[in-house]
This record gives sequence, C-alpha cells and structure tokens, in this order.
Amino acid sequence: AQTVTQSQPEMSVQEAETVTLSCTYDTSESDYYLFWYKQPPSRQMILVIRQEAYKQQNATENRFSVNFQKAAKSFSLKISDSQLGDAAMYFCAYRRSGYSTLTFGKGTMLLVSP
Amino acid sequence: DVKVTQSSRYLVKRTGEKVFLECVQDMDHENMFWYRQDPGLGLRLIYFSYDVKMKEKGDIPEGYSVSREKKERFSLILESASTNQTSMYLCASSSHVGASNQPQHFGDGTRLSIL
Repeated sequence: AQTVTQSQPEMSVQEAETVTLSCTYDTSESDYYLFWYKQPPSRQMILVIRQEAYKQQNATENRFSVNFQKAAKSFSLKISDSQLGDAAMYFCAYRRSGYSTLTFGKGTMLLVSP
Repeated sequence: DVKVTQSSRYLVKRTGEKVFLECVQDMDHENMFWYRQDPGLGLRLIYFSYDVKMKEKGDIPEGYSVSREKKERFSLILESASTNQTSMYLCASSSHVGASNQPQHFGDGTRLSIL
C-alpha cells in the first residue's frame, strides 16, 4: 500500500520569506501523480499544485513550486514571498495512475508571522 | 468553478441516532468521495463512488454506509452514531476524464459531534 509522510507537523515563516514543506512517499509504481492541497482555517480545501511523475520538470504555480525527486520519492513544496494568507494546513497527496483515490499525508500546519 | 455543497457545517447528534450527511456537486463528476479528518491523522477515505449506485470501501468503512441514487448526490450514513465518530467529514468529487490527473474538489466540511 502507498504511504505518504509529512514529517513536519508545524512550520513557521515570516512574511516575504521562503519556506519549504517536506513530503515523502512510498510506492512501487512508476506512473503516478502528486498533489499539494491547502486548507485555510475553517475554509475549503483547495488544490495548490500537481505533478505528474513522468515529467522531469518541476511544477510551478506563481509563488508555489515543487522539488520532485523521483528516485528519492520526495515531493517538497516551496512557497516564496510568503504572505499572511498562506497560513493553512498543507496536505501532500498521492494518486496511482488509473485510479481515482488519493492517499494523503497527515498534514503540515504553516504559520505566517508579520 | 466546481461547487461541492455539504448540507451542514455543524451537526450535533446523540449516540445511537441514525445520521445522514449529504453532499451535492454541480459539475457532473463521476467520482465522489467521503473522508473524515482528525487532528494528527490527516484525511482518511471512508467510501467512494465512481458511478450511480456504485460504491467502494475506503480505508475506514466500519460503522458507515453510503448511498448514491443520483449522479450529483452522495450521502454518508452513520447507522448508529457513536462518540468515536465525532469528527470533521469532508466530501469531494472529481471527473473521471483523464482520471489520474484530475484534482478532487472539496466541500466546506461538516463538523459532527456525537454526544
């Protein structure tokens, strides 16, 4: 069974600084998809960024980028120029190709201070 | 934008009651999912459905059942609520087209308390 590990229960960053959230996963598959979701306090979970395992290029969405290391089974999220609105719980998720279900990590709470 | 609507944000029920949590999506998505979210445990899949009247058990189906009579609606049922089912429940949907790359879209969640 696939597992997703987020080793940092909580991270802190100051506004305008850069922070990296870690995620590792365990799978024997070669074709899969990885996602980062953001859940602000008392608000809806939304997709931040996704990565296809067959693509070597790291995905980027504005201030959010990933460092995808397939051999190391690592998928970290970098948030540049952090803003107060980035404060949220962040979940890393894995999906095996051809399947609809996601396996989630336990989440990292990101605190952003002025 | 995809809209996933859960019928209640907060719900308080008593032990032994039969509880229904409703979820509706407006994007004609084939797949729908129910998760529970607990601190320190992340999201755990209870049940999912890939078509009307079809259902599959997730990781923690015990004590729950589901119903999908219409494509847009997916109901989670607690047959006899117990205090250990106090939790946040999240509904999600996704398209089957290009399945693996499609994100799941989530509702706002229902915070359920069983007294």
